[in-house]
Amino acid sequence: GAGVSQSPRYKVTKRGQDVALRCDPISGHVSLYWYRQALGQGPEFLTYFNYEAQQDKSGLPNDRFSAERPEGSISTLTIQRTEQRDSAMYRCASSLQPGLNTDTQYFGPGTRLTVL
Amino acid sequence: ELKVEQNPLFLSMQEGKNYTIYCNYSTTSDRLYWYRQDPGKSLESLFVLLSNGAVKQEGRLMASLDTKARLSTLHITAAVHDLSATYFCAVEVYGNKLVFGAGTILRVKS
Repeated sequence: GAGVSQSPRYKVTKRGQDVALRCDPISGHVSLYWYRQALGQGPEFLTYFNYEAQQDKSGLPNDRFSAERPEGSISTLTIQRTEQRDSAMYRCASSLQPGLNTDTQYFGPGTRLTVL
Repeated sequence: ELKVEQNPLFLSMQEGKNYTIYCNYSTTSDRLYWYRQDPGKSLESLFVLLSNGAVKQEGRLMASLDTKARLSTLHITAAVHDLSATYFCAVEVYGNKLVFGAGTILRVKS
């Protein structure tokens, strides 16, 4: 289990339902990032944490989106009252230590969210 | 707002040929990443470029960074089919967040 893992890998939900997406970072990684990737595009930043502290949530599209990382490890991205425009691949990444010259963000496999 | 532009967006190459992918960005940054993504897969880190003039090479791929010109290049030497993938550059901004380009789809034909 060396990599970033995400669950579920696929989620189909009906408009108006809430969904929770989980990310399990690489063990010992300080930083955790959430991105959203539309088909044919590069990932777009949503939010990130150092340990349990949310450092930047400027990329969250609106207040239906929230994220937490209560114990500084696993993180959950929650989307309330989902809309069809929320359909996308949601990717999580983690990095060992921000500020290190060699620090790199390692991406998980993503959760494909489809809102009907 | 930081903009990251890649070109070309699609590249069809013959095996054995050389080509370069360009990544321009609009604001100051000292850290630039190149990622590879295979269809239906996650992003794989290829290079992290940390300073002006940085050059890194791995196999048939070589990446360079010119922070003054706000330009990075990914050079492909003697392409092989296994290099077919989508390549993204990403610029790190304040708070360690990455801003990605739209990606370059590379297809290497036999």
